[in-house]
Amino acid sequence: KAGVTQTPRYLIKTRGQQVTLSCSPISGHRSVSWYQQTPGQGLQFLFEYFSETQRNKGNFPGRFSGRQFSNSRSEMNVSTLELGDSALYLCASSLESPPTDTQYFGPGTRLTVL
Amino acid sequence: QKEVEQNSGPLSVPEGAIASLNCTYSDRGSQSFFWYRQYSGKSPELIMSIYSNGDKEDGRFTAQLNKASQYVSLLIRDSQPSDSATYLCAVNFNNNDMRFGAGTRLTVKP
Repeated sequence: KAGVTQTPRYLIKTRGQQVTLSCSPISGHRSVSWYQQTPGQGLQFLFEYFSETQRNKGNFPGRFSGRQFSNSRSEMNVSTLELGDSALYLCASSLESPPTDTQYFGPGTRLTVL
Repeated sequence: QKEVEQNSGPLSVPEGAIASLNCTYSDRGSQSFFWYRQYSGKSPELIMSIYSNGDKEDGRFTAQLNKASQYVSLLIRDSQPSDSATYLCAVNFNNNDMRFGAGTRLTVKP
């Protein structure tokens, strides 16, 4: 099975712009979670989608949004980019959501905001 | 508040020694616990999951869970230089609301 894929792998944007990142989960996985990773804050939970519905959300401003499509692919959008949004954005997929499930990470999208 | 805490390290051990990594979490009701390893510039990869109190062994790795103390640990026996990485503790607070600790950086010296 192919793993989790994320596109693009690298992005450079300027402040004020918006960006859309894409994540394709492992085939058959219906839950997709997004994380932001920075050296100072570590891995922080953004949100989780299951069957096109956002079920969980972390403590990020409304500039961060996401969605999931019927094929389980997910996108996240960041509007009005700030310098502090520079980070590695990781998505992870899991088969379903019982407590015993595990998440598999994609390679990440490295976003640089200038 | 959903919190997962780890000693950030760095933790340095000689090759062949046991490395001990610790993690505490805030929600007593949490049921699923995970250890991930992350090499520099790479994404996290799952090492072990644990759901019941006690020890779970997989090769050189042993995860230990104590729900009463809200404590999870990872022991790495016969540590190798290739084990040098950042180790992330993760707790599934509820329905894939997964939170990670800040990670412990481990260095295994030859």
